[in-house]
Amino acid sequence: GENVEQHPSTLSVQEGDSAVIKCTYSDSASNYFPWYKQELGKGPQLIIDIRSNVGEKKDQRIAVTLNKTAKHFSLHITETQPEDSAVYFCAEEGYSTLTFGKGTMLLVSP
Amino acid sequence: NAGVTQTPKFRILKIGQSMTLQCTQDMNHNYMYWYRQDPGMGLKLIYYSVGAGITDKGEVPNGYNVSRSTTEDFPLRLELAAPSQTSVYFCASSYSGTSGIYNEQFFGPGTRLTVL
Repeated sequence: GENVEQHPSTLSVQEGDSAVIKCTYSDSASNYFPWYKQELGKGPQLIIDIRSNVGEKKDQRIAVTLNKTAKHFSLHITETQPEDSAVYFCAEEGYSTLTFGKGTMLLVSP
Repeated sequence: NAGVTQTPKFRILKIGQSMTLQCTQDMNHNYMYWYRQDPGMGLKLIYYSVGAGITDKGEVPNGYNVSRSTTEDFPLRLELAAPSQTSVYFCASSYSGTSGIYNEQFFGPGTRLTVL
């Protein structure tokens, strides 16, 4: 079955710094890897995703990279802002479902 | 569109009681999911449904039941509540499964359940 390991569990950065969150997955047949952001008291929300036919995808200040050989993918946030503070989850596709990592709490200090 | 709505927002149950967590979506999504979120443990799938009348178990189904009689509604039933079911429960929906184009899962605001 699918298993996703996510690191680090917490990450503190200064405003304007970059943040990187890394995930490792187990199922080599997986082809879809989304990232969700959960703000305090709310449900998670999709922020970016990547499919296995590309190695990198960018959307303004966020980017995701995928290394299928090593079975890991990463979320990169540049020029962090206080509103980026949240819990971030990576996920791996399963059969019609997603398997989520345990989450990373990102704290951006002004 | 209201998106995915969940009721109640909070609930305290006594051990052995039963309750139903309600979930409704107005986006005409085929797929619906129930997750539980425990501190530091991420989101674990309880049950999911690929369409009305079809449900399937996720990673942690024990102690729960679901039904999907309509496209819009996907209630989660807890029978004989136990302290281990204390958690935050999220309902989500998507138009297609993970391999489809419209596979983004939209989450509700959650139900915080405490079993004492």
